Amino acid sequence: KNEVEQSPQNLTAQEGEFITINCSYSVGISALHWLQQHPGGGIVSLFMLSSGKKKHGRLIATINIQEKHSSLHITASHPRDSAVYICAALGGGADGLTFGKGTHLIIQP
Amino acid sequence: DTGVSQDPRHKITKRGQNVTFRCDPISEHNRLYWYRQTLGQGPEFLTYFQNEAQLEKSRLLSDRFSAERPKGSFSTLEIQRTEQGDSAMYLCASSLASALVSPLHFGNGTRLTVT
Repeated sequence: KNEVEQSPQNLTAQEGEFITINCSYSVGISALHWLQQHPGGGIVSLFMLSSGKKKHGRLIATINIQEKHSSLHITASHPRDSAVYICAALGGGADGLTFGKGTHLIIQP
Repeated sequence: DTGVSQDPRHKITKRGQNVTFRCDPISEHNRLYWYRQTLGQGPEFLTYFQNEAQLEKSRLLSDRFSAERPKGSFSTLEIQRTEQGDSAMYLCASSLASALVSPLHFGNGTRLTVT
């Protein structure tokens, strides 16, 4: 079973700061998803990647397959970025994702 | 495309009762997933369907849980003889193909409270 660990668990930053959220996993994977969850439960898929780097607006996701590590970066952070960010790994022949516990991000104005 | 919808949004039930949740995926999506999320934790995989076939079930899915997707469209998740430990958010997600290649689209979840 894949163990997915995220750090930090909680992060409070000022508006405009560069944010990094880390995700590590124990077993080689086929793909990794980054998700955003707002209060009330709604989850939005941000990225799905299996190698390299992806960028969407102010969000950047990277993955290092050899080191079993992925990062999510937010540039020029804004209070509307406040949410829980979850990474989820897919691998081992199963199609069920294994989720991290999430990083609770608060961006203060 | 109205997205993934789940019904009901909230359900309060007494211990021992049966409950059923419904998920309507995005219409052209073949894959449908059920997850459970408790407070402060990430979602946990329960089961998934490829069209009407249930292809994988987590060990978390005890014999009190059953899921169906009879015509390959909507899905139901039933919990029999509910226990207080079943209290959680139940999330449904769909995707066009395998999560290896397709992003997941989540519903807003059904929050179950067992009293």
